[in-house]
Parts: sequence; C-alpha cells; structure tokens
Amino acid sequence: QVQLQESGPGLVKPSETLSLTCSVSGGSISGFYWSWIRQPPGKGLDWIGYIYDSGSTNYNPSLKSRVTISADTSKNQFSLKLTSVTVADTAVYYCARVGDFSVKDWGQGTLVTVSS
Amino acid sequence: QSALTQPPSASGSLGQSVTISCTGTSSDVGGYNYVSWYQQYPGKAPKFMIYEVSKRPSGVPDRFSGSKSGNTASLTVSGLQAEDEAEYYCSSHAGSNNPVVFGGGTKLTVL
Repeated sequence: QVQLQESGPGLVKPSETLSLTCSVSGGSISGFYWSWIRQPPGKGLDWIGYIYDSGSTNYNPSLKSRVTISADTSKNQFSLKLTSVTVADTAVYYCARVGDFSVKDWGQGTLVTVSS
Repeated sequence: QSALTQPPSASGSLGQSVTISCTGTSSDVGGYNYVSWYQQYPGKAPKFMIYEVSKRPSGVPDRFSGSKSGNTASLTVSGLQAEDEAEYYCSSHAGSNNPVVFGGGTKLTVL
C-alpha cells in the first residue's frame, strides 16, 4: 500500500496561487491515476482532478480554468496549482491514488487557508 | 451543492443495522457500477470502504455492505459498533468529464 504526504504553504493570500506537492512512497507513480481532492471546513469532499502517469489530466469543470496538476516521475511526486484563490478555496487538500474511479489511498491532508 | 444526495444524518443502536442512501441520476449512480463509499472520522482522512457498488477492500469488515437499485446506492452497516460512528461519503463515476462526484456526507450516530 502506498503512502502519500502533502506539503506546501498553509496560508495563501487572495488572488495568489496555491501550490501543493504530494510525495508518494511505497510504489511508483507510473502507471496509476493520482488525484487532488479538497474539503472545506465542516463540509463535504470536492473532486479537483487527476493526472495519469505524467501525462493526461482531467479536471473538475468548475475549477478547470484555474487548476493545473503535474507529475515528476523522477521524484515520485505530483503537484497541484490553483490560481486566483479566494476565501472559498480554504480547505483541507488531500492527495490520493485513484483506481477504477475509487479513491483507494489518501494522504493525511493539509489545511490551506486563504487570507490576507 | 453536492452532485449526489445523502441524508445528513442516520442513527442506529449498538448491534442493529442501519442503511445510508446515496441518490444520483442515470448519468452517474444509475449509469455506472462505479459507486464507492468512504468512512471519515473527525480530523482524519477518509478511508476507502466499498468499491464497484458492493466490493470490499481487504481489511474492511463484512459488516459493511453496498448495493444499488436504479439511481440510488446504499451502504448498510450491520451489527453496529461504537467505532462505526463517523461520517460516510458516497462517490460515483459520472462520465469522462466528471470522473468522480461525491455525495454530501451522512453523519452516522451509534446510540
């Protein structure tokens, strides 16, 4: 079973770019789907998008214009960039491994607060 | 507003059974056998409990079972235990533009 660990700033200013990295251990990121999911405080889960291998991506239509997910197979990591953030983007951000449209392995999550 | 509809809360007594519903449309729950369920304790990451409607990953007790009828999927927890008290989320595949959509979550209370 793989282990996933999110890292990145816990505080981002409005209008700036949120950047997070997920480090994967216990297996290669090659050949699998890797995803970002977020959960606003006290609310439900929100699918952000996924990347397959280091290539193809698929994003939530509601976030598509602001999201980029990329991967670095040499570091066994994948990353999230969310531009033009607002307070509505404040959430716990999870990185995860996806298979057959199920989220099978989750990182512990990292809280990102958008505030000036 | 979540794509899939779950009741905000459910409850059951120790040892009894409880069923949580997850209602979608023919474009998600009803159209694919890719319904999953997750358990989440406060402050923790969700845990993968059920996939492809009714299959259990290794290590998940057989007290947890899933089913689907039409556009509604269900999670049944039998022989309720105190540690089953948690938030439960469903998800479904909803086509190439929406690989995964989630329900709003159901808070299960064990009485």
